[in-house]
Amino acid sequence: AAGVIQSPRHLIKEKRETATLKCYPIPRHDTVYWYQQGPGQDPQFLISFYEKMQSDKGSIPDRFSAQQFSDYHSELNMSSLELGDSALYFCASSLVTGEGRSYNEQFFGPGTRLTVL
Amino acid sequence: LAKTTQPISMDSYEGQEVNITCSHNNIATNDYITWYQQFPSQGPRFIIQGYKTKVTNEVASLFIPADRKSSTLSLPRVSLSDTAVYYCLVGDEGTGRRALTFGSGTRLQVQP
Repeated sequence: AAGVIQSPRHLIKEKRETATLKCYPIPRHDTVYWYQQGPGQDPQFLISFYEKMQSDKGSIPDRFSAQQFSDYHSELNMSSLELGDSALYFCASSLVTGEGRSYNEQFFGPGTRLTVL
Repeated sequence: LAKTTQPISMDSYEGQEVNITCSHNNIATNDYITWYQQFPSQGPRFIIQGYKTKVTNEVASLFIPADRKSSTLSLPRVSLSDTAVYYCLVGDEGTGRRALTFGSGTRLQVQP
């Protein structure tokens, strides 16, 4: 079965540079979520999109922005990178159908490991 | 979302049954209980979800007492590959697209 695709899988950047992470949700899934997981930390929600509109916002820094495109893929744009931005960034997708579907079942991608030097 | 409390870590041996208990005293009427599993450097993976009593799937069982203030994830006959972090999440069904709030999970270490 198709899974969530993230690219790149690894990214190394210098401080103050910019980075763009991409996410391709499972086909027909209508919601995309972004999570950040620092070293030894638990995943933290950043932002989500439903049908290409921002749905919910978590602890996303102002330096970050995201959007979802007409083909449902999403991009997380990160500017003025700081050392503390080094983390695993996960994208997840879900489809809420109502009956018979686990409400909280989000499907996570393999993540992008961002290293800021 | 209801706050959850679970053990920081647990150790087990291959072939044993592992029970991880999660406390959620402030669970609301509309809240469901969901467990995710995360292997190192991988994204979390949905394991099981329940509302009350007992739920079983091919991976695990979830036991929820009548007061719903706690829940127990049961992994039958664990193997080395079950070594992972297990997260208990409690949330309502209000929008159906609510983000997941991960608290501190339980790090399960399975020994040979």
